[in-house]
Amino acid sequence: AQKITQTQPGMFVQEKEAVTLDCTYDTSDQSYGLFWYKQPSSGEMIFLIYQGSYDEQNATEGRYSLNFQKARKSANLVISASQLGDSAMYFCAMRLKTSYDKVIFGPGTSLSVIP
Amino acid sequence: EAGVAQSPRYKIIEKRQSVAFWCNPISGHATLYWYQQILGQGPKLLIQFQNNGVVDDSQLPKDRFSAERLKGVDSTLKIQPAKLEDSAVYLCASSLGPGSNTGELFFGEGSRLTVL
Repeated sequence: AQKITQTQPGMFVQEKEAVTLDCTYDTSDQSYGLFWYKQPSSGEMIFLIYQGSYDEQNATEGRYSLNFQKARKSANLVISASQLGDSAMYFCAMRLKTSYDKVIFGPGTSLSVIP
Repeated sequence: EAGVAQSPRYKIIEKRQSVAFWCNPISGHATLYWYQQILGQGPKLLIQFQNNGVVDDSQLPKDRFSAERLKGVDSTLKIQPAKLEDSAVYLCASSLGPGSNTGELFFGEGSRLTVL
């Protein structure tokens, strides 16, 4: 079964500190991708970062990096130097390339940045 | 470039009534997704179109929900009759489709449905 698990319903981090949001996934497909999206209280879905299953290097986008451990089926998001504007829901999602790019989402983690 | 357009933004109906949501994806995007996001949960895929054909509707409650994508462009999601548990935000997203580098999904602002 294809599934995304995010075990941290809520997280707190001090401003300017780094934080890791956990994501594990389950799929028998060999070709897939992992996304992270941010959803502020306004409701918009903001793309943060993407990692393909065959990418050898961990993806990075500014303050965001994806710690991809294929053997463990984990794709954790690391946010460095947290800012107050990072307070939001964060969703891990999986792209199933062998299923017409079906994308399934995890339950999300609520991140609160404390000044 | 215009983003994904959705309407209406908000809709309040009584149970057993019907409602329709409209989505216009980004021009040239082959794949269109409808997600249901209940408050406090992650988006749940209802139906996925590749051009004007359905490629996944495994989680669509077909006794009450229907969707179509005419001419492979805009799409309509209908609920008839609505139930209380249909109260949610309905998100439309589009992507370039299989073969694209990241397959990034671009989301609309969503349509918030309240069923009384």
